[in-house]
Amino acid sequence: DIQMTQSPSSLSASVGDRVTITCRASQSISSYLNWYQQKPGKAPKLLIYAASSLQSGVPSRFSGSGSGTDFTLTISSLQPEDFATYYCQQSYSTPGTFGQGTRLEIK
Amino acid sequence: QLQLQESGPGLVKPSETLSLTCTVSGGSISSSSYYWGWIRQPPGKGLEWIGSIYYSGSTYYNPSLKSRVTISVDTSKNQFSLKLSSVTAADTAVYYCARRAMIVVYYYMDVWGKGTTVTVSS
Repeated sequence: DIQMTQSPSSLSASVGDRVTITCRASQSISSYLNWYQQKPGKAPKLLIYAASSLQSGVPSRFSGSGSGTDFTLTISSLQPEDFATYYCQQSYSTPGTFGQGTRLEIK
Repeated sequence: QLQLQESGPGLVKPSETLSLTCTVSGGSISSSSYYWGWIRQPPGKGLEWIGSIYYSGSTYYNPSLKSRVTISVDTSKNQFSLKLSSVTAADTAVYYCARRAMIVVYYYMDVWGKGTTVTVSS
């Protein structure tokens, strides 16, 4: 299985901050990388697919970049509703493994 | 608007079989554009992909669970189902069903059910 490692595991930030979350794959996965947001007690929500494509309806302050083994999710200006846990997932090979998650908390 | 809803017992005894159903509404499970899948999340932990199925019955399973998992589809009811045999406490989790979409060669889960909690305990 391809291992996905996110950093940091948790992050404290303030409203208006620019935040970057990193995801690293154990082998090259080209651009087969998705990002999801999950709030407590809720299902994950797709934010980004194919490393950098913004899902319909997702605010433009979210962006994704990277290819190969290293990827980033950036939130350009944090809003109160963005405090959540974020997961990356590779879709290069079965099983589609997820990162362990990055919990974004209010400072 | 497409909606997915999980249903099934919330409590399963060790060594028995966990059975869940996902009902799709607002769209057809027989669409050629999508697979349908199951993902689970143990309490306080991350996400684990279990497997996916096409309306024709073609399946993909997580190798770590493959010996215990069966996913099936009932197009007449617009439903797909999960069976996980020989469960232990490690199978306690929130189970989500989701639609797997694809653009070009990239796939992703774009519509999710709300999830259902399954506890394995005697």
